[in-house]
Amino acid sequence: AQTVTQSQPEMSVQEAETVTLSCTYDTSESNYYLFWYKQPPSRQMILVIRQEAYKQQNATENRFSVNFQKAAKSFSLKISDSQLGDTAMYFCAFMSPIGGYAGGTSYGKLTFGQGTILTVHP
Amino acid sequence: AAGVIQSPRHLIKEKRETATLKCYPIPRHDTVYWYQQGPGQDPQFLISFYEKMQSDKGSIPDRFSAQQFSDYHSELNMSSLELGDSALYFCASTKRYGSSTDTQYFGPGTRLTVL
Repeated sequence: AQTVTQSQPEMSVQEAETVTLSCTYDTSESNYYLFWYKQPPSRQMILVIRQEAYKQQNATENRFSVNFQKAAKSFSLKISDSQLGDTAMYFCAFMSPIGGYAGGTSYGKLTFGQGTILTVHP
Repeated sequence: AAGVIQSPRHLIKEKRETATLKCYPIPRHDTVYWYQQGPGQDPQFLISFYEKMQSDKGSIPDRFSAQQFSDYHSELNMSSLELGDSALYFCASTKRYGSSTDTQYFGPGTRLTVL
């Protein structure tokens, strides 16, 4: 089974600075999808960014970008110009493509990491 | 844009009671996933449906059942509730395209408290 590991339980950053959240995963698949979701105090799960493993180019969404290292099975999230509204729990998530994969069959479920609490200080 | 709707948003039940959680996916989405998030934990996959058929099952207790209806909304039925069932229950929906799928969009969640 796929596993996702976030080794930083908590991180803090000053407003306007840059912070990087780490995520590693384990899979035998060659094609898959990776996501970062944000969960603010409201507990809503909000998609931050998505990366397809077959794409070598790192995904970017405004102030959010990823560093996807497929060989190292690493998927870190960089937040630039941090804002107070970025304060939240951040989850890294893995999804196998629908269909067969080594060891089972995926129907698109997400496997999450343990989460990193990010606090942005004024 | 329309989002995933979940009802109720909050639910308080006694032990051994039953609860029904409802999920209304984004229009034209054909796939629904249910996740359970305990306090301080990451969301855990429970069950999913594609075109009204169960497609996958995770760590869902036998006391729980779910279905997807003809209008694509889904219901999670929970019986003989236990204290440990207290959690935030998310529904997520997506559109499936053959062997690939779009991003899952989450509802606001139903917070279940079992006393």
